[in-house]
Amino acid sequence: GENVEQHPSTLSVQEGDSAVIKCTYSDSASNYFPWYKQELGKRPQLIIDIRSNVGEKKDQRIAVTLNKTAKHFSLHITETQPEDSAVYFCAASIREYGNKLVFGAGTILRVKS
Amino acid sequence: DVKVTQSSRYLVKRTGEKVFLECVQDMDHENMFWYRQDPGLGLRLIYFSYDVKMKEKGDIPEGYSVSREKKERFSLILESASTNQTSMYLCASSYPDRAKYGYTFGSGTRLTVV
Repeated sequence: GENVEQHPSTLSVQEGDSAVIKCTYSDSASNYFPWYKQELGKRPQLIIDIRSNVGEKKDQRIAVTLNKTAKHFSLHITETQPEDSAVYFCAASIREYGNKLVFGAGTILRVKS
Repeated sequence: DVKVTQSSRYLVKRTGEKVFLECVQDMDHENMFWYRQDPGLGLRLIYFSYDVKMKEKGDIPEGYSVSREKKERFSLILESASTNQTSMYLCASSYPDRAKYGYTFGSGTRLTVV
């Protein structure tokens, strides 16, 4: 089955700097890659997603890139702010199995002001 | 706004007890999922369901079962709770369409087995 690896496990950046979180997946049939943000004590929430027919997607300060050949995708956050501090999860989904998501282990992002 | 409601935020149960975790969604989603979240391990899928009375095992089904008698409700059952089942349990629901893949999560149930 699908396996998703996520790095780094923790990331500290200074406010205003950029943050990059990387994920790799094992199954080339995966075609949907969402990112979730989980603030302390709250539920995970979808912040951006990308499908396998697209190489990059942006939403304000957040962008996701996908390299299907290398089977990796990344989350980029620019101009980080303290409210970006959270746990971020990447995930992958295989169409043939509906939309069951396999998650990475998570990255704790700390933005220092 | 989609709501996924988990019946309890915190639960403390004794070893060997039968435990029921309830999840209800109000958006007519076909798909429902149960994950457990542990530090350093991310979210691991226990069971999922694509329709009423339908269930499929996820990656870590041992020690768990599920029930989906109605479309809006998906229950996770710990047949005989053990201390290694102490965890945060997250329910999620979604549409099956390619256009609507995103999950909506519940707030989670933090279960402690003593």
